[in-house]
Amino acid sequence: QSALTQPPSASGSPGQSVTISCTGTSSDVGGYNYVSWYQQHPGEAPKLMIYEVTKRPSGVPDRFSGSKSGNTASLTVSGLQAEDEADYYCSSYAGSNNLAVFGGGTKLTVL
Amino acid sequence: QLQLQESGPGLVKPSETLSLTCTVSGGSISSGIYNWGWIRQPPGKGLEWIGSIHFTGTTYYNPSLKSRVTISLHTSANSFSLTLSSVTAVSLTAADTAVYYCATHHPGRGFHYWGQGILVTVSS
Repeated sequence: QSALTQPPSASGSPGQSVTISCTGTSSDVGGYNYVSWYQQHPGEAPKLMIYEVTKRPSGVPDRFSGSKSGNTASLTVSGLQAEDEADYYCSSYAGSNNLAVFGGGTKLTVL
Repeated sequence: QLQLQESGPGLVKPSETLSLTCTVSGGSISSGIYNWGWIRQPPGKGLEWIGSIHFTGTTYYNPSLKSRVTISLHTSANSFSLTLSSVTAVSLTAADTAVYYCATHHPGRGFHYWGQGILVTVSS
């Protein structure tokens, strides 16, 4: 059982927006602004899409955005494109004794 | 551009120790810019952080794996390694079968650069 809770699936049509949630506790998501999101296509390594809740690494389209409220973080993908179809994982810092906890992943389908 | 590459055996017996190496190119593991981490993903399942090492050699381990994991730096080879052992009467199990990834790790900023991953199967 993963430390962070994500919905197993999400979907949207091309051009639409979809939001994926990531729920933790006050010991991880709620306690720090250190949430990151990863995109993983089949057979590939994960790719960092969002870090520190809202920041995008160089090269990540601004269609990807992150936010947080309390113990729940969210990833929003706007203007859905076919290539956005992938698994998405959230992760959070959880203190000096547990540097990273992950969510179980969400499979995003572009209809 | 920083590149990471995992290497090691693809098949390990339950009574043995799982040992992997991550070789870094395009930057020095002693630079102090990054921590260096290991993450695994069982087939068809999610990601699990195993542990990370600071350039000073300070290590941080997932509490659930701490008793079985050792991560070390090898500065002369610009690499770092993972050892996952069977402890006392507890052997490696099929649950340790996974794709093992190495990655740069900043605790606040996540895992930025990743290796391609290596599938390790635990089986007799």
